[in-house]
Amino acid sequence: GAGVSQSPSNKVTEKGKDVELRCDPISGHTALYWYRQRLGQGLEFLIYFQGNSAPDKSGLPSDRFSAERTGESVSTLTIQRTQQEDSAVYLCAGGRSTGELFFGEGSRLTVL
Amino acid sequence: AQSVTQLGSHVSVSEGALVLLRCNYSSSVPPYLFWYVQYPNQGLQLLLKYTSAATLVKGINGFEAEFKKSETSFHLTKPSAHMSDAAEYFCAVSVLSASKIIFGSGTRLSIRP
Repeated sequence: GAGVSQSPSNKVTEKGKDVELRCDPISGHTALYWYRQRLGQGLEFLIYFQGNSAPDKSGLPSDRFSAERTGESVSTLTIQRTQQEDSAVYLCAGGRSTGELFFGEGSRLTVL
Repeated sequence: AQSVTQLGSHVSVSEGALVLLRCNYSSSVPPYLFWYVQYPNQGLQLLLKYTSAATLVKGINGFEAEFKKSETSFHLTKPSAHMSDAAEYFCAVSVLSASKIIFGSGTRLSIRP
């Protein structure tokens, strides 16, 4: 596609439910990043992929968070047993060796 | 590990005035540095980047930034602010291209008429 696509754009869920967020980067972007942006705050690094492997998972807040990437394209971020503090916008970005990132518009997650 | 600090969560300038947004980085090896902009209700987009070539980097919309190793800084400037510059600006650092990229907490720029 022309840009980075994220779905759903908005998700409201109840505490304790699992959610899955999807990112479809620009074709050819071997690097893929997930960030979390809480209201009024900066971008919190979660995880990045180089191809299908994740060299750095250090930003995942807890073992309730996991991510995978297949076919060097689509990635999913899964949050199990959601908590209210998980409410945020989850941003996905793809990039090449130049280091420039191309961001999607994010998935806004609200946990009630 | 690398890190980046943005001084001032909110900066307000008059239209036509100089814009200066501050960014300091920490890195044990030569960094790559970036400024991204997030306009209201839009995704982040790259404004400019430094990747060890010229220390003065020019970006889109009249913005530029200067890499100063001695000061570990990469401040963003624009000589004359325009109302359309109102946005959130993020400084970011990485140590290798396409590796972990760390963002600062952001600076919200407001422009007064």
